[in-house]
Amino acid sequence: EPEVTQTPSHQVTQMGQEVILRCVPISNHLYFYWYRQILGQKVEFLVSFYNNEISEKSEIFDDQFSVERPDGSNFTLKIRSTKLEDSAMYFCASKAPGSYNEQFFGPGTRLTVL
Amino acid sequence: DAKTTQPTSMDCAEGRAANLPCNHSTISGNEYVYWYRQIHSQGPQYIIHGLKNNETNEMASLIITEDRKSSTLILPHATLRDTAVYYCIVRALIKAAGNKLTFGGGTRVLVKP
Repeated sequence: EPEVTQTPSHQVTQMGQEVILRCVPISNHLYFYWYRQILGQKVEFLVSFYNNEISEKSEIFDDQFSVERPDGSNFTLKIRSTKLEDSAMYFCASKAPGSYNEQFFGPGTRLTVL
Repeated sequence: DAKTTQPTSMDCAEGRAANLPCNHSTISGNEYVYWYRQIHSQGPQYIIHGLKNNETNEMASLIITEDRKSSTLILPHATLRDTAVYYCIVRALIKAAGNKLTFGGGTRVLVKP
């Protein structure tokens, strides 16, 4: 069964460093999402992406964040200058065209900012 | 999107049916009910969705009341692997690229042997 994959599974970084989280969505999907979950808290929407542009973003997704689909298969989330409060699980999701919001989530990347 | 209310937690015996309620009294006519679950620290997993008719798939059944103000997710024969947080989400299906999911606190279900 096709699945969303994410790398790395765990990323440790120093405050102020840039990180790039990578996702490979399911191959025929056209809608892509990033969510995050701070330990013990709710899953929060960050951004959605379609047709090579952001279609919606939350207040969390400020100008320290960016997304890209560089090569037609990967979907990346970049955090330019990490803060301690960016420590969280980051989940990528994708959705097929025409489906009823059945977003398929990856296993997540645990980001730890020291 | 309509707000949902779910119990914080519930226990269920292995092999028995688990009935998970969700209240969504402010649901609009064009809003669907979706259920996802999150097994410890994994990504959320889609379970089922419905508009007004009851729905069943290989994972679960969804019963929506006639007035659509509440629904129940039924796991027919709960197993230990069904231990997870279950989220009821209500939103309209918009034919656009957004369609973000807004997760609440969900119901923490513990299946006991």
